[in-house]
Amino acid sequence: QLQLQESGPGLVKPSETLSLICTVSGGSISSSSYYWGWIRQPPGKGLEWIGSIYYSGSTYYNPSLKSRVTISVDTSKNQFSLKLRSVTAADTAVHYCARQQYTSGVPNFDYWGQGTLVTVSS
Amino acid sequence: DIQMTQSPSSLSASVGDRVTITCRASQSITSYLNWYQQKPGKAPKLLIYTASNLQSGVPSRFSGSGSGTDFTLTISSLQPEDFATYYCQQSYTTPYTFGQGTKLEIK
Repeated sequence: QLQLQESGPGLVKPSETLSLICTVSGGSISSSSYYWGWIRQPPGKGLEWIGSIYYSGSTYYNPSLKSRVTISVDTSKNQFSLKLRSVTAADTAVHYCARQQYTSGVPNFDYWGQGTLVTVSS
Repeated sequence: DIQMTQSPSSLSASVGDRVTITCRASQSITSYLNWYQQKPGKAPKLLIYTASNLQSGVPSRFSGSGSGTDFTLTISSLQPEDFATYYCQQSYTTPYTFGQGTKLEIK
């Protein structure tokens, strides 16, 4: 059974960089069939797609965050990571990593990590 | 960005009821529409993909329909475990965007 697990600091200071890792187990991140994504959810609010990455390193990002975001992959560790620079309180959210599959050519997120809350505060 | 608007934002219903949630896209997304269920403190769970296809393991009381700009999620007979928040999501173009959610509560 595929599992995804987010890890990283739960508290980040304003103007600093939020860094999270997603570790994939029960399957290979190098599968040609999938992308891997990050989605966030501010407390009590809706979901926002941050960006996605292919095992080759190809990425695409939400334009609203693109100037501050980097997603990278480490196939040797079966992990992918998120870095969000220059954070503010508005970046406080539960961050999820997820597998992005394509069914009939349409992407969707079929496996999710449990999520990790990152609070931006001094 | 494509805006996704769900209605209603919240809904009270009883066990055994038939419930329909609507999602409208700001432009045509053909059938590139997915539905998720989220329970408090948990990650979203994929229910329906490409508007009408049931994800493996999801009970058949869930169904989806629609194309273009208007979509519906129907639960034919509500069960206690169905009380949750439901989100639609478009995958027609990036940035992928979600509806604001519909909270389904027990009457």
